[in-house]
Amino acid sequence: EIVMTQSPATLSVSPGERATLSCRASQSVSSNLAWLQQKPGQAPRLLIYGASTRATGIPARFSGSGSGTEFTLTISTLQSEDFAVYYCQQYNNWPPWTFGQGTRVEIK
Amino acid sequence: EVQLVESGGGLAQPGRSLRLSCTASGFTFGDYAVSWVRQAPGKGLEWVGFIRSKAYTGTTDSAASVRGRFTISRDDSKSIAYLQMNSLKTEDTAVYYCTRGRRIKVAQEVMYYFDYWGQGTLVTVSS
Repeated sequence: EIVMTQSPATLSVSPGERATLSCRASQSVSSNLAWLQQKPGQAPRLLIYGASTRATGIPARFSGSGSGTEFTLTISTLQSEDFAVYYCQQYNNWPPWTFGQGTRVEIK
Repeated sequence: EVQLVESGGGLAQPGRSLRLSCTASGFTFGDYAVSWVRQAPGKGLEWVGFIRSKAYTGTTDSAASVRGRFTISRDDSKSIAYLQMNSLKTEDTAVYYCTRGRRIKVAQEVMYYFDYWGQGTLVTVSS
């Protein structure tokens, strides 16, 4: 089973600033990685798949990069609606599909 | 608009059963795989089970933590997927989400990622 590790656990950022979130896989997942956003009381929503492709309707301020074992989600200019928990998920070696433990992006 | 709506959650005693439903609309349900993912209170996401579309065998996979207790099935004529949960344990308490599995091929390997999620249904297992 591939273990996904996210850092940091919590990121404090001011609105308008850039946020950079990291995700590491215990072994290579190639580019078969997704990023999800979850707001309080809501279901997760797909942001990025294929490590760098934005899902339908996702704003351009969200970008993903990386391959192999190291991945990054960047939110270029944080908006108020972006404060949420973000999860990475690998779908290269399945089953099982595995998720990181999440990074909470909070208002500084 | 793609929609997935879960139902059937509630309170169950340990050892009892519950069946969750996931009703889909806005797309051709039979063309897609379905996966169930759960989230214990205040915790992260855990994959629970998966069912392929009938075109790709319709077979299932389950997480080790639920194997032998949970069963996934689908009724394409009704656009519904089911999660039958037997021998429930207190640690099964969670919000259960159904997701649409999009099949892709990468260098001849088949992958599935989850592109749409339902709003979830809460299952509480307690005496």
